[in-house]
Amino acid sequence: DQQVKQNSPSLSVQEGRISILNCDYTNSMFDYFLWYKKYPAEGPTFLISISSIKDKNEDGRFTVFLNKSAKHLSLHIVPSQPGDSAVYFCAAPDYTDKLIFGTGTRLQVFP
Amino acid sequence: DAGVTQSPTHLIKTRGQQVTLRCSPKSGHDTVSWYQQALGQGPQFIFQYYEEEERQRGNFPDRFSGHQFPNYSSELNVNALLLGDSALYLCASSLASTSAQETQYFGPGTRLLVL
Repeated sequence: DQQVKQNSPSLSVQEGRISILNCDYTNSMFDYFLWYKKYPAEGPTFLISISSIKDKNEDGRFTVFLNKSAKHLSLHIVPSQPGDSAVYFCAAPDYTDKLIFGTGTRLQVFP
Repeated sequence: DAGVTQSPTHLIKTRGQQVTLRCSPKSGHDTVSWYQQALGQGPQFIFQYYEEEERQRGNFPDRFSGHQFPNYSSELNVNALLLGDSALYLCASSLASTSAQETQYFGPGTRLLVL
């Protein structure tokens, strides 16, 4: 069973526009969520996180929104830049603190 | 300051063989976790080592085993390789005293192909 789902395997956005990456989860016990970015031939790097006591967390061009009732979170990147082209994973620690990852969304930002 | 390093970068094995992957954690880190990322999937937790002992384990068979050395480096061993073991194997290091997941740093991975 996939507890963290990213239903869009890929997304293509023009430079300067907004990128919105979505993530759904099924486990209502999850109370903390993270987004990672992964370039080819590199390991995932932490991008931004959000606690379930918040509905929004912002860091520069990156904002994560959490809708607990819908079990849905989204990552907004504004404005998108070509260097943002990467695979983005959302993840949540389970009750043993193991990270559960989604399947990832490949973002391509074109000029 | 070197980050997390893994060796080898790529590896080709045949079914039934055994493989050992290596990981050196980021300087100052004492905990190592291993993940398997199959094609088109997200990383899946295999196990975590701290103080040279396996502290947690994901849903992987006993063919997957590991070791942590006194210098905190770690090995992942997979016996009796199956075609389905073909994946990118990621190592991540962290400091046990820091529980925040953000402080986990990933290496570039070892890509294993089983023929």
